[in-house]
Amino acid sequence: AQSVTQLGSHVSVSEGALVLLRCNYSSSVPPYLFWYVQYPNQGLQLLLKYTSAATLVKGINGFEAEFKKSETSFHLTKPSAHMSDAAEYFCAGLQGAQKLVFGQGTRLTINP
Amino acid sequence: GAVVSQHPSRVICKSGTSVKIECRSLDFQATTMFWYRQFPKQSLMLMATSNEGSKATYEQGVEKDKFLINHASLTLSTLTVTSAHPEDSSFYICSARDSGGGYEQYFGPGTRLTVT
Repeated sequence: AQSVTQLGSHVSVSEGALVLLRCNYSSSVPPYLFWYVQYPNQGLQLLLKYTSAATLVKGINGFEAEFKKSETSFHLTKPSAHMSDAAEYFCAGLQGAQKLVFGQGTRLTINP
Repeated sequence: GAVVSQHPSRVICKSGTSVKIECRSLDFQATTMFWYRQFPKQSLMLMATSNEGSKATYEQGVEKDKFLINHASLTLSTLTVTSAHPEDSSFYICSARDSGGGYEQYFGPGTRLTVT
């Protein structure tokens, strides 16, 4: 069964600094992986997805993620953090044909 | 595109009453919809998978008689919390998969339920 682990429940960076949010997956088959963002008291918004095509996936709001099979990782990055990036970020993997398995979430704080 | 709405966004009800939450896919058809529950500062917990025209599939530990799910059309699923108790207070989020699209789920804005 697919499982997803996010390393670091809370990440804090300065405005303009690199954002790196870590996600590792556990799967014996090529995974479908997703990153979602959640702002306070709102639903989740899809940032990007990996579906066995290009290993470097570009998403919205300047985010991208790289699928590394050798490391079973799908880390999310953004070159320069903006105050509006402060939110909760969830990595998720597809389990079976329908269900999403979510990581524990990482709260991103941006310091001015 | 791929917009999912939920109604209401917030609801307060008295213990013992029932509350219905609607989830609609506005610009796509969704054969499959999902209902999640989220506790403060925690991840999402899948409650059930709802397939249009058939019975929902509930996750282990979720009471199907308490959380009634109906998916009567390709754009609407409802979750009814029956005989609500304070411990049912939570943030409920629905999501939908585009019948003509990929595996990603599109999420509604959530419903904050408070049972007094």
